[in-house]
Amino acid sequence: AQKVTQAQTEISVVEKEDVTLDCVYETRDTTYYLFWYKQPPSGELVFLIRRNSFDEQNEISGRYSWNFQKSTSSFNFTITASQVVDSAVYFCALSEANFGNEKLTFGTGTRLTIIP
Amino acid sequence: GAGVSQSPSNKVTEKGKDVELRCDPISGHTALYWYRQSLGQGLEFLIYFQGNSAPDKSGLPSDRFSAERTGGSVSTLTIQRTQQEDSAVYLCASSLAAPRGTQYFGPGTRLTVL
Repeated sequence: AQKVTQAQTEISVVEKEDVTLDCVYETRDTTYYLFWYKQPPSGELVFLIRRNSFDEQNEISGRYSWNFQKSTSSFNFTITASQVVDSAVYFCALSEANFGNEKLTFGTGTRLTIIP
Repeated sequence: GAGVSQSPSNKVTEKGKDVELRCDPISGHTALYWYRQSLGQGLEFLIYFQGNSAPDKSGLPSDRFSAERTGGSVSTLTIQRTQQEDSAVYLCASSLAAPRGTQYFGPGTRLTVL
């Protein structure tokens, strides 16, 4: 069975610092997808990124970047020059390509607080 | 375009009552998922729909929980004889068919069972 581990329960950094959120996953499938979602205080889960298991290229989107390493089963998320608006709970998730069913297995989330 | 909508946003009920939670997916999304978020259990998968059929109900915690989807669109999650441990936020997500299956979530329904 698949599993996602986010070992960091809470992180606090001062605004403008860089911060990395860790995500380690377990799966027996060779085809799978990894995700990051943001849950701000309003509560709605906001999609950030989807990466398939065959694409190990790192991705950058503005201040956000993701590092996918199959060798260590990790999919880490870095926020550069953090801002107060980045304060939220961040979830890493995994889905296996299973006959169209891409149900998500979530980690327990990391609560990120950006201190102004 | 419109995102996933859910109603009601909040529901308070008494133990033993039945409740219905509604989800309107993004237009054109054939896949629909229900999840539950609670303090003790985190985010858990409940059920998956492809069109109107539910090939994966493995996450439903008991036979008091059921769901249906009609017209390949709106879905209703029903909880019968609610218990206090059912208190949680119920989230709905929809997506295009795999492998383009990024799930977009609704705002959730917060259920409180007294």
